[in-house]
Amino acid sequence: GENVEQHPSTLSVQEGDSAVIKCTYSDSASNYFPWYKQELGKRPQLIIDIRSNVGEKKDQRIAVTLNKTAKHFSLHITETQPEDSAVYFCAASIREMRFGAGTRLTVKP
Amino acid sequence: DAGITQSPRHKVTETGTPVTLRCHQTENHRYMYWYRQDPGHGLRLIHYSYGVKDTDKGEVSDGYSVSRSKTEDFLLTLESATSSQTSVYFCAISDERAGDGYTFGSGTRLTVV
Repeated sequence: GENVEQHPSTLSVQEGDSAVIKCTYSDSASNYFPWYKQELGKRPQLIIDIRSNVGEKKDQRIAVTLNKTAKHFSLHITETQPEDSAVYFCAASIREMRFGAGTRLTVKP
Repeated sequence: DAGITQSPRHKVTETGTPVTLRCHQTENHRYMYWYRQDPGHGLRLIHYSYGVKDTDKGEVSDGYSVSRSKTEDFLLTLESATSSQTSVYFCAISDERAGDGYTFGSGTRLTVV
């Protein structure tokens, strides 16, 4: 089955800096790649997604890039703010979704 | 709130006892999923359902069973709870099998003592 690896496991940045989280997947047939944000004690919530026929997608301060050849995709957050502090999960799916282990992002004021 | 609710929110149970967690949706979505969340492992799929009475195993299904007798309800049962099943359990729903983001419930924190 699909295997998703996510790096780094923890990331600390200064407010205003950029943050990048990277994921790799194993099954070349995967065609949908969402990113979820989970605040402490809350449910994961979808923040952005990309499909296999698209290389990049942006939504305000967040963007996702996909490299199908290398089977990796990344989340980019620019101008980070303290409220961006959370755990971020990447996922890949052909059918049922498989998740990475998560990245704990801390944005220091 | 998001059309999906889980119950109970918290539960403490003893080793060897049966436990049932409930997921209820009001979105009429076809697909429902149970995940468990543990530190360092992210979210791992336990079981999923693609319709009434249609279920299948995920990557960590041992020790768990599920049932879906109605579109809106998906039950997860631990037949004989073990300490290794202490976890946070999330239910999720989607309208498509792939290519659609999941909506998660608020989670159930289960502690097996």
